[in-house]
Amino acid sequence: GEQVEQLPSILRVQEGSSASINCSYEDSASNYFPWYKQEPGENPKLIIDIRSNMERKQIQELIVLLDKKAKRFSLHITDTQPGDSAMYFCAASRNTGYQNFYFGKGTSLTVIP
Amino acid sequence: EAAVTQSPRNKVTVTGGNVTLSCRQTNSHNYMYWYRQDTGHGLRLIHYSYGAGNLQIGDVPDGYKATRTTQEDFFLLLELASPSQTSLYFCASSRDRDNERLFFGHGTKLSVL
Repeated sequence: GEQVEQLPSILRVQEGSSASINCSYEDSASNYFPWYKQEPGENPKLIIDIRSNMERKQIQELIVLLDKKAKRFSLHITDTQPGDSAMYFCAASRNTGYQNFYFGKGTSLTVIP
Repeated sequence: EAAVTQSPRNKVTVTGGNVTLSCRQTNSHNYMYWYRQDTGHGLRLIHYSYGAGNLQIGDVPDGYKATRTTQEDFFLLLELASPSQTSLYFCASSRDRDNERLFFGHGTKLSVL
């Protein structure tokens, strides 16, 4: 299946600074790229997503960039707060045939007050 | 918010034991998925289904069976549990094939002694 690489695996930032997580994928047919946030002891929840017809999407402090040629996408959290501390997963999906999602291995983000 | 309910929340069994994990979604979603989450591996797809009676093999299916009995219910079966299957299992659902977001249950923590 599709391989999604996610880096870094661990990220520590100072409160108020920006945090960036990068993902790459192999399947050029992938056309949907969601990001999930998982707080300790909780289930993963969708925080932002981007489709292949877009290059940039922003929801409040969350920015997602997609570079289809390079097969890379990234999540940027501006003005980080302690509540942003969590595990973040990127994923890639395509809707040819059965829908399937392939996840990166996750990034543990810690925002230091 | 779509509701995905998993049971049990915690399960301990012995090597060779028989385990059934249950998942129910009440939002008429077509797709249902079983993932396992392990440190350093992220979320890995075991099996998924599009509708009652349908079953698709995921990326790590060995040692697992699954059955989708109704639109709402998706079961994961471990007939001869092994310690390597100790993991956190998440069920998820999504509406249809057009790259819809995943809604996750709260997970089942399985320990195989």
